[in-house]
Amino acid sequence: DAKTTQPPSMDCAEGRAANLPCNHSTISGNEYVYWYRQIHSQGPQYIIHGLKNNETNEMASLIITEDRKSSTLILPHATLRDTAVYYCIVRNSGGYQKVTFGTGTKLQVIP
Amino acid sequence: EADIYQTPRYLVIGTGKKITLECSQTMGHDKMYWYQQDPGMELHLIHYSYGVNSTEKGDLSSESTVSRIRTEHFPLTLESARPSHTSQYLCASSGHFDRVLNSPLHFGNGTRLTVT
Repeated sequence: DAKTTQPPSMDCAEGRAANLPCNHSTISGNEYVYWYRQIHSQGPQYIIHGLKNNETNEMASLIITEDRKSSTLILPHATLRDTAVYYCIVRNSGGYQKVTFGTGTKLQVIP
Repeated sequence: EADIYQTPRYLVIGTGKKITLECSQTMGHDKMYWYQQDPGMELHLIHYSYGVNSTEKGDLSSESTVSRIRTEHFPLTLESARPSHTSQYLCASSGHFDRVLNSPLHFGNGTRLTVT
């Protein structure tokens, strides 16, 4: 499995964009980048994923660098309900691999 | 909408008891996973399954066992609970790559186990 590195914590003012970085320098060609978040101790929630193109959905945008060694999750207008731990993981296209989570980034949205 | 259910939501049990944590999904997913998470700590993969009659150990050694007799059901069993097993157990599933390419993981709400 390719490993990911994320900052342990970040703060963001309510209403501003939250930009969460992730390094995955050992990612291989068939591995996708996935983002999840976990609020309190609920089960993690899927946010978005991508291979090499930037992706956007109703929750967030995902920007992947051209060399695919890093990515950024963007929450365009952070709210207090976005306070959570955000996990960046990589998985191959076959999906037949164990899926491991790192320590993630604890995002605190400040009023 | 993801449909994956874990029961019980909370369980307090005495040392030495046998317990089974239930996990069921109605999405026809072939892959299922169990994670263990202590408060404020990261998720640790303890078991996973690629389909019926397939089970694998995860990254974190666990005294628990799992079975996958039916696609929708992936129970986790502790033969003799100990206080060190106190934790939250999260179950997840994901779809077959042929049908849902790169299907993300869908998580249940977890079981909080306390062994006294």
